[in-house]
Amino acid sequence: DTEVTQTPKHLVMGMTNKKSLKCEQHMGHRAMYWYKQKAKKPPELMFVYSYEKLSINESVPSRFSPECPNSSLLNLHLHALQPEDSALYLCASSPRDGTFNEKLFFGSGTQLSVL
Amino acid sequence: AQSVAQPEDQVNVAEGNPLTVKCTYSVSGNPYLFWYVQYPNRGLQFLLKYITGDNLVKGSYGFEAEFNKSQTSFHLKKPSALVSDSALYFCAVRDMSGSSNTGKLIFGQGTTLQVKP
Repeated sequence: DTEVTQTPKHLVMGMTNKKSLKCEQHMGHRAMYWYKQKAKKPPELMFVYSYEKLSINESVPSRFSPECPNSSLLNLHLHALQPEDSALYLCASSPRDGTFNEKLFFGSGTQLSVL
Repeated sequence: AQSVAQPEDQVNVAEGNPLTVKCTYSVSGNPYLFWYVQYPNRGLQFLLKYITGDNLVKGSYGFEAEFNKSQTSFHLKKPSALVSDSALYFCAVRDMSGSSNTGKLIFGQGTTLQVKP
């Protein structure tokens, strides 16, 4: 299994809702990532987990809350989002800790719309 | 600061012709360079990487890239383009400047490749 699986594929939520995005991989990878991508723009790193510990938080607003319950699973909890948070949210993984020569494996993303 | 630039927003090429997607970089120290491709409504897929060694790197789907240290470039090439190569291409450099060396990639702005039949 060489896939990173993200659910749901599409999500529409109001600004007062609470929702979660889920990401799963069964490749034995120990680093997992959340990226945000606007249309036709490069992905922007949000969070990195390395060996289930949060190693990078790119000054992301607290309305985004990541969670890594185990080495295969990564969640992104969403609360009180703004319309400008509408984007494609990509999960990725890499074998160890994302050091210099590791490639990332990306999921297909969750397209989020905030109304 | 580490950075990478893709000077062309879009590249148009006829099917069967060679293609080049340009990338230049600015890093302190050794560059660790990557190309990723994104098809519509999909995540990014790894194409190839340069870490060290041969300046010509071969990757997936017949793509290759030439690392040129003097010109600080890492252009993506393919000898014969296919319509199915039409996608958004990102060049990226690994950011090794922080205290943590965990996984931070700096992406270029992306280049849309349009291959016409």
